[in-house]
Amino acid sequence: AQKITQTQPGMFVQEKEAVTLDCTYDTSDQSYGLFWYKQPSSGEMIFLIYQGSYDEQNATEGRYSLNFQKARKSANLVISASQLGDSAMYFCAMREGQSGATNKLIFGTGTLLAVQP
Amino acid sequence: DTGVSQDPRHKITKRGQNVTFRCDPISEHNRLYWYRQTLGQGPEFLTYFQNEAQLEKSRLLSDRFSAERPKGSFSTLEIQRTEQGDSAMYLCASSHPGLIYEQYFGPGTRLTVT
Repeated sequence: AQKITQTQPGMFVQEKEAVTLDCTYDTSDQSYGLFWYKQPSSGEMIFLIYQGSYDEQNATEGRYSLNFQKARKSANLVISASQLGDSAMYFCAMREGQSGATNKLIFGTGTLLAVQP
Repeated sequence: DTGVSQDPRHKITKRGQNVTFRCDPISEHNRLYWYRQTLGQGPEFLTYFQNEAQLEKSRLLSDRFSAERPKGSFSTLEIQRTEQGDSAMYLCASSHPGLIYEQYFGPGTRLTVT
């Protein structure tokens, strides 16, 4: 069965520094997708970045990049130049199933990031 | 485009009462998902609609839960005979037919059962 593991319950980072949030996954599917979402205290899940299993290049979106290591089954999120507004809960998620399927998401337990001034 | 909206944002109810939540997806998004998030956990999938058809239900969705999307636009999630274990955040997400992998979430409905 598909599973997402986030082993860091909480992380601290100094403002303007980079931080890496870890995510490992388990699946027997050949085609899958990996996501990162941000959840501020308000509760809304904000989509950050997506990586398809067949994408050869690591995904990047502004200050966010996804370090995809397929052989290790890891999909770590790197946030560069941290800002105070980055303080939030971060969830790694995996899309289950191939194109045309439900595409429901399986989430990890999250990492709470605190950016310190 | 105002994003996914959910109503109400908060609901407090007594055990045994029925509650209904509403989700309005982003216009032209034909796929709609419901998830449940308990404290300290990531969201868990409950059910999925493509247009008005409910195509998948999780085993988490007991007989007390029912979801509808009658005209393929907004969706409702009803919980009958609520239990304290139903206390959670209920999240709705939608996706566009051309970008099926990107799910956009609403602000959620936080349910507290006393």
